Amino acid sequence: QQQVKQSPQSLIVQKGGISIINCAYENTAFDYFPWYQQFPGKGPALLIAIRPDVSEKKEGRFTISFNKSAKQFSLHIMDSQPGDSATYFCAASYTGNQFYFGTGTSLTVIP
Amino acid sequence: DAGVTQSPTHLIKTRGQHVTLRCSPISGHKSVSWYQQVLGQGPQFIFQYYEKEERGRGNFPDRFSARQFPNYSSELNVNALLLGDSALYLCASSQEQDIQYFGAGTRLSVL
Repeated sequence: QQQVKQSPQSLIVQKGGISIINCAYENTAFDYFPWYQQFPGKGPALLIAIRPDVSEKKEGRFTISFNKSAKQFSLHIMDSQPGDSATYFCAASYTGNQFYFGTGTSLTVIP
Repeated sequence: DAGVTQSPTHLIKTRGQHVTLRCSPISGHKSVSWYQQVLGQGPQFIFQYYEKEERGRGNFPDRFSARQFPNYSSELNVNALLLGDSALYLCASSQEQDIQYFGAGTRLSVL
C-alpha cells in the first residue's frame, strides 16, 4: 500500500514558469513532510520541509503548501530554471523514524 | 564537514552471493537509516539504527540485515542475492529525529 501518493509522474515547464508537484497521504499520524531533490547518480538532497501546524512554508523560490484537512501537500517552484531539472520526491514520517516516499516526479525545465 | 559516505559506489554480484554495503554518517550523527531505491521509484525504508540499536525495520525479507558500530558507522548485509535486489542502496544519517541527509548510494547490480 502506497502511503504517499505523488503526481504528476513527469512535468515539463518553460523557464521562468511555475512547477507544481502534489502529494497526498493517508496516515494522520504523520508529522513531518519533507521534499527531496535528486539528480542522476546522486542521493536525494533535502529541499524544504514542513510540519502540519503551518499551512505554508517558503524558502527562496520553493514553497510548500499544506492542507491538513485534505491530507495533501504540494511543492511550488517559482521562476523555474533549467538547473531545477531533476527528480523530486515528497515524503512523510512520524516520530522521526521511517520515511515513506512518493514515487517521484521527473521535472524538465525547458530553456 | 564530510557528508554521508557510502562504499563501494558500484558493485556487481551474481545470484546467490552475499554483499556488504558500508556507510559512514555525518560526524555527530547517531542515527543511520538504509533505503532501497529501485530505478524509477522512490526510496523504500529497510532499517533504522540509533545508538547501535535497531529502531525500525521495513518490509524486507530476513536476507537483509544491518548493524551499527560504536563509531556510528553501519553495514547493510544482503544474503542469497536475487535479481530483484538490483537497486541503488541509500544510507541516510540524522542528528535530529526528522532531518535525514542521504549519501550518494551504492549501485548494486545482480546478474
